[in-house]
Amino acid sequence: VQLLESGGGLVQPGGSLRLSCTASGFTFSTFAMSWVRQAPGEGLEWVSSIGAAGYPTFYADSVKGRFTMSRDSSKNSIYLQMNGLRAEDAAKYYCARVYAHLTDCFDFWGQGTLVTVSS
Amino acid sequence: EIVMTQSPATLSVSPGERATLSCRASQSVSSKLAWYQQKPGQTPRLLIYGASTRATGVPARFSGSGSGTEFTLTISSLQSEDFAVYYCQQYNNWPLTFGQGTKVEIK
Repeated sequence: VQLLESGGGLVQPGGSLRLSCTASGFTFSTFAMSWVRQAPGEGLEWVSSIGAAGYPTFYADSVKGRFTMSRDSSKNSIYLQMNGLRAEDAAKYYCARVYAHLTDCFDFWGQGTLVTVSS
Repeated sequence: EIVMTQSPATLSVSPGERATLSCRASQSVSSKLAWYQQKPGQTPRLLIYGASTRATGVPARFSGSGSGTEFTLTISSLQSEDFAVYYCQQYNNWPLTFGQGTKVEIK
């Protein structure tokens, strides 16, 4: 199992960024997927999850209405469209495979992509 | 939102000793509790799920117990590679939530 995130970078407050995660080594279309973030020196925070079929989607209150998670099984990829970015969104964003059910733990994680929000 | 509280924040242990980490949920999560290990600069690694089931490849010195609101991760004999931060996570309710972590350091 491999998960490879991309798309991180420096963005100004209020700006947008789209993260991607490409999966390999398993049957992508049968697993729910999630994004989890970690601010520098801080703990883990769940961000969003998406079902194996592309629905439903769930979001943390801190990002609801600003972030949109999607997936494309033809590309074995998930995405996180982040709009209206704030300083508190700065973190390393991990793509994670959900173990079995949509509401579940995370059995494989990518290496993460760093998002910096600063003017 | 279910709040997960881990204690202690830091645990100082000598190699070969036993380490006991606690995780408390603000309401029952049944047995839908996972533990992760994160070493500096590395990705989190799933250790335990279902409160007590070891993930694939996890050494037998790691064990989990508990249900409802009180959970424990025990490392029976600490090895040098076990010094890390450990997080618990509940997956019984949305939003999924993590504890703030327990750092296990060398005494």
